[in-house]
Amino acid sequence: EAQVTQNPRYLITVTGKKLTVTCSQNMNHEYMSWYRQDPGLGLRQIYYSMNVEVTDKGDVPEGYKVSRKEKRNFPLILESPSPNQTSLYFCASSFGAIAEAFFGQGTRLTVV
Amino acid sequence: KNQVEQSPQSLIILEGKNCTLQCNYTVSPFSNLRWYKQDTGRGPVSLTIMTFSENTKSNGRYTATLDADTKQSSLHITASQLSDSASYICVAGGSQGNLIFGKGTKLSVKP
Repeated sequence: EAQVTQNPRYLITVTGKKLTVTCSQNMNHEYMSWYRQDPGLGLRQIYYSMNVEVTDKGDVPEGYKVSRKEKRNFPLILESPSPNQTSLYFCASSFGAIAEAFFGQGTRLTVV
Repeated sequence: KNQVEQSPQSLIILEGKNCTLQCNYTVSPFSNLRWYKQDTGRGPVSLTIMTFSENTKSNGRYTATLDADTKQSSLHITASQLSDSASYICVAGGSQGNLIFGKGTKLSVKP
């Protein structure tokens, strides 16, 4: 089944403790991206990747890192999480920047 | 500054009625305009994607229009169903691959 898989689905962590949210797709898509969704603000793009080893900042990249060492995986790294990074995170992939995007199920992160 | 504005913020309609959602964007350089449907707590699902040269695109009961000159788009829903209740999000894509999301219109379809 074609899908985008995020892990974990739910995570509660403490301020400053490094964490990684994984994202994997099985559709051989070139384009992958990360978003956060907050009440009243909607979805905002954090980082995107047009292909392996190519990443670019989106609207709200501060406090986040990404890597794209292989086509199927695009992990989101929070080196030192803070409470303002408490949010619902989505990963998405598509064949290209203009193609239909497929979203993962979301990761609800709470930083205390 | 790149931004996308949607109206109305929320809308309540009766089952079977039509409705139109609006989107204004200022994204430069502009590449494409998308509409997504998002159920609460779920990831968005793509409805339509239009490049800057397209004026209209349909997906079943959903029809999107794009006027790249005035930087406006609309999503028309025909013969609404209860399952259409969701948030509808307008997204403008830049030519560098970045995406700018609107805050969405929350649609409620009542029986």
